[in-house]
Amino acid sequence: LAKTTQPISMDSYEGQEVNITCSHNNIATNDYITWYQQFPSQGPRFIIQGYKTKVTNEVASLFIPADRKSSTLSLPRVSLSDTAVYYCLVGDSNYGGSQGNLIFGKGTKLSVKP
Amino acid sequence: KAGVTQTPRYLIKTRGQQVTLSCSPISGHRSVSWYQQTPGQGLQFLFEYFSETQRNKGNFPGRFSGRQFSNSRSEMNVSTLELGDSALYLCASSRAGTGDYEQYFGPGTRLTVT
Repeated sequence: LAKTTQPISMDSYEGQEVNITCSHNNIATNDYITWYQQFPSQGPRFIIQGYKTKVTNEVASLFIPADRKSSTLSLPRVSLSDTAVYYCLVGDSNYGGSQGNLIFGKGTKLSVKP
Repeated sequence: KAGVTQTPRYLIKTRGQQVTLSCSPISGHRSVSWYQQTPGQGLQFLFEYFSETQRNKGNFPGRFSGRQFSNSRSEMNVSTLELGDSALYLCASSRAGTGDYEQYFGPGTRLTVT
């Protein structure tokens, strides 16, 4: 069964780079590792996903080592509006085979201060 | 393009009753997943439907069931409600791909069981 671990909370200041790491094992070998952002009273919002190495889009970068046992979400130059909870999402090794589970991390509450 | 919609947004039920929640995915999205979110357990995957068939399932009892219609709209049913079923129920849609977890979430249905 897949398991994920991420820090409960992180603090940062505006303009800094923030890196949030999620450790995960027994994940599906052919699936993406995905990160979401959630604000209070809203559903999670997709940020980025990748399979291995590095992926970058307009809001974040995602680093995944070759063993895929962890992933690091990097938010460049955070602002106050980046204060939210960030989740990693992985599929367990059975996902896609009709009895597979998707596993969300417990979430990292990022607080950005002025 | 309209986002994922969920109805109702809020619901109060009594222990022992049953409830049906509805989700309309983004046009063109064929996969619909359901999640339960609580402060204690976080985001937990319930099940995923694709082309009217349950494709993946999380670790929830049989009281939780769902279905998907030919237009991709989905419903989730919880029978014999328990106090512990009080939660935010989120629906998410995606295009289709197995292993691709880029999902778009609705605002959720807040269920309170008394």
